[in-house]
Amino acid sequence: EVQLVESGGGLVKPGGSLRLSCAASGFTFSSYSMNWVRQAPGKGLEWVSSISSSSSYIYYADSVKGRFTISRDNAKNSLYLQMNSLRAEDTAVYYCARGEYGPDYWGQGTLVTVSS
Amino acid sequence: DIVMTQTPLSLSVTPGQPASISCKSSQSLLHSDGKTYLYWYLQKPGQPPQLLIYEVSNRFSGVPDRFSGSGSGTDFTLKISRVEAEDVGVYYCMQSIQLPGTFGQGTKLEIK
Repeated sequence: EVQLVESGGGLVKPGGSLRLSCAASGFTFSSYSMNWVRQAPGKGLEWVSSISSSSSYIYYADSVKGRFTISRDNAKNSLYLQMNSLRAEDTAVYYCARGEYGPDYWGQGTLVTVSS
Repeated sequence: DIVMTQTPLSLSVTPGQPASISCKSSQSLLHSDGKTYLYWYLQKPGQPPQLLIYEVSNRFSGVPDRFSGSGSGTDFTLKISRVEAEDVGVYYCMQSIQLPGTFGQGTKLEIK
């Protein structure tokens, strides 16, 4: 069974940093591209960042470019999102999702709240 | 960025009746590889999105056959042949022919 479990969310002040993690199991992690997608409270879905299976290709939404860094450790079956210079508008549930095109499996999400 | 526009934004359906959601993209989603990168998701209350349909018309594993997808180019439709109570939630279309992947605004389905 494919499982994706996010962690690392919490309350952080504007300008602060947070590192999200996603632990994957039930599939060959190193064979899949992975994504972070977020959802602000009561809002729709916004793609944040993607990373290819070997980390060769990395993409960011313009809204986070220069502030967020996606990475992965295939030996640990883990995906990460380092978030710096956080803003109030980054407040959202962050989902880890598998797949290069339409993500097929999603984690339950981790809530990031940016507030003073 | 490619803009995805869904209509309607809300839908109230009697159980057993059909439902239909439209999704239009600002650019063609047909890739030179012959695939069309249009996906449908359902987000049930309090849950993450779940994939229903990939590449316009292919049902994902475990998705009931009352769900079907159709369309081409820039115009797409998700149909539910007979709505059931468990189908409530918000439906999103998504394109991934071009990064960033972009989602429609969502269509909220309620049961009458």
